[in-house]
Amino acid sequence: DGGITQSPKYLFRKEGQNVTLSCEQNLNHDAMYWYRQDPGQGLRLIYYSQIVNDFQKGDIAEGYSVSREKKESFPLTVTSAQKNPTAFYLCASSINRKSEQYFGPGTRLTVT
Amino acid sequence: QKEVEQNSGPLSVPEGAIASLNCTYSDRGSQSFFWYRQYSGKSPELIMFIYSNGDKEDGRFTAQLNKASQYVSLLIRDSQPSDSATYLCAVNEGSGSSNTGKLIFGQGTTLQVKP
Repeated sequence: DGGITQSPKYLFRKEGQNVTLSCEQNLNHDAMYWYRQDPGQGLRLIYYSQIVNDFQKGDIAEGYSVSREKKESFPLTVTSAQKNPTAFYLCASSINRKSEQYFGPGTRLTVT
Repeated sequence: QKEVEQNSGPLSVPEGAIASLNCTYSDRGSQSFFWYRQYSGKSPELIMFIYSNGDKEDGRFTAQLNKASQYVSLLIRDSQPSDSATYLCAVNEGSGSSNTGKLIFGQGTTLQVKP
């Protein structure tokens, strides 16, 4: 089965804790992306990676970190420095930076 | 600040009618345009993409692009209650070597198809 998986589906954390969201794809895509969606709003880009061992900040990177050690994996860490971490987090991938992006099922993070 | 604008709606149409969803964008250099459908609580699903001026048809869906007017639209023919969702317009930032791969999303238009 080809696709993008994200885990967990729901995540609850206490304020002040770091948390890592998983994103894996077996589509052999070069590019991967992390977005955040807040209620009633569009998607905002957090980080993106066009190739292994390279990534760039998106529009709202503060309080987040990523790594891209393998082509298949692009984990996102939400640090305690992120002021409003509660959101729906979406991972996407594309063959390359010019192609259409496909989304995983998302992780809903709640921080209290 | 590059922007993508959509009317948030809701756009309400009767079953069987044509639904017309519209999107304008500010980056004149954009070359790639995408429509995603998002059901409540779910992730976006790609339904159409278009790169050239004119129309592109896929089943009941038609995407229309007018680069001179910086306008892209999605038509849904024979609308069904199962089409009720939020439709997100996305535009690729830049073109050629300045194409970053970043997508700029609109806030989405909520479509309600009434039986």
